[in-house]
Amino acid sequence: SQQGEEDPQALSIQEGENATMNCSYKTSINNLQWYRQNSGRGLVHLILIRSNEREKHSGRLRVTLDTSKKSSSLLITASRAADTASYFCATETTSGTYKYIFGTGTRLKVLA
Amino acid sequence: NAGVTQTPKFRVLKTGQSMTLLCAQDMNHEYMYWYRQDPGMGLRLIHYSVGEGTTAKGEVPDGYNVSRLKKQNFLLGLESAAPSQTSVYFCASSYSTAGDGYTFGSGTRLTVV
Repeated sequence: SQQGEEDPQALSIQEGENATMNCSYKTSINNLQWYRQNSGRGLVHLILIRSNEREKHSGRLRVTLDTSKKSSSLLITASRAADTASYFCATETTSGTYKYIFGTGTRLKVLA
Repeated sequence: NAGVTQTPKFRVLKTGQSMTLLCAQDMNHEYMYWYRQDPGMGLRLIHYSVGEGTTAKGEVPDGYNVSRLKKQNFLLGLESAAPSQTSVYFCASSYSTAGDGYTFGSGTRLTVV
């Protein structure tokens, strides 16, 4: 079974709106990363948050981590059509057996 | 700076055929990984390598073999392809596992008929 599960599976918003997607995981982690995948392309690393951090920002991206709830959220502010992509969370578990484990992704569509 | 290069980009195999997917990185990364991506399943780790000459099994290693004879190359082999191995295969590399982001290749779309 997947370590990380993103929610929602799909999200459609208007350009300029904010997009929030969530990731829940099952076991303790060292850190969590978010990736973007444009259709037919490889994944691109967006941001990393460590287990002792609660919030990080990078440009229009804001990531939060709640280790007590085993969940993370990715907020994209003022979305653009170019943000249309799938977004994945990836967790590095404390057991470290399989390195980073990826979730199933959220498909974001930003309508112009 | 090419990053991570995967060859081939597309391939169609008949059941029982063999093939090798090549991953090459020019960033002097120690760690390299092979994932497969299937609809609704996210990415699943097949094998990984923590350095030249080393390999280890991931979550779904059955039916695959790997080799890391040179630091910059990580090969994924299918000895006898099966339709269940139809997938998109991604190679990734990282400098370490200490929180470094992965750099991904653009993928290989493999169809086994």
